Amino acid sequence: EVQLVESGGGLVQPGGSLRLSCEASGVTFSSYAMSWVRQAPGKGLEWVSAIIGSGGSTYYADSVKGRFTISRDNSKNTLYLQMNSLRGEDTAIYYCAKALGPYFGSGSYSDYWGQGTLVTVSS
Amino acid sequence: EIVLTQSPATLSLSPGERATLSCRASQSVSSYLAWYQQKPGQAPRLLIYDASNRATGIPARFSGSGSGTDFTLTISSLESEDFAVYYCHQRSNWGGVTFGQGTRLEIK
Repeated sequence: EVQLVESGGGLVQPGGSLRLSCEASGVTFSSYAMSWVRQAPGKGLEWVSAIIGSGGSTYYADSVKGRFTISRDNSKNTLYLQMNSLRGEDTAIYYCAKALGPYFGSGSYSDYWGQGTLVTVSS
Repeated sequence: EIVLTQSPATLSLSPGERATLSCRASQSVSSYLAWYQQKPGQAPRLLIYDASNRATGIPARFSGSGSGTDFTLTISSLESEDFAVYYCHQRSNWGGVTFGQGTRLEIK
């Protein structure tokens, strides 16, 4: 059974940094692209970033480009999201999600999701 | 970036009724559209991908149709566990990655 477990969320001041992790089990991790998707309290879903299975290509939403960095360690079955220069509008539950295949092209959807980790940016 | 507009915002129906949810794209996404279900306090669940393919383990009462800019998710006969928020989602090389704003399906 595929399981994704996020960690690393918490309360951080504006301008601060956090590093989220997502540990995967029950899956050949390197065979799948992975994404981070966030959801502000009471709001809809917003895609944040993605990385292909090999880690060789990364993708970002305009709202986080230059501030967030996605990476993965396939030897540890773990996905990361380094978040710098955090703003109030980054407050959300952050989900990691597994793609259907190794790439992030057209038709790349997420079939398994973690339960999310809450990031709160506030002074 | 392609904008997805879902309608209605809220749909009130009774168990056993048929639900029809719509998603309209600001430009063609071909068939690169998915539908997700999200219940309170839970992560989204993939229902339909590539407009009309049911994901693994999804009951046959869920079906998707459409292509280009107009898509529909149909639930043929509502069960109590189907009342949730539904999101459409597109991932296309020309249109980025976007979600619709969601349709809340509530018990009448």
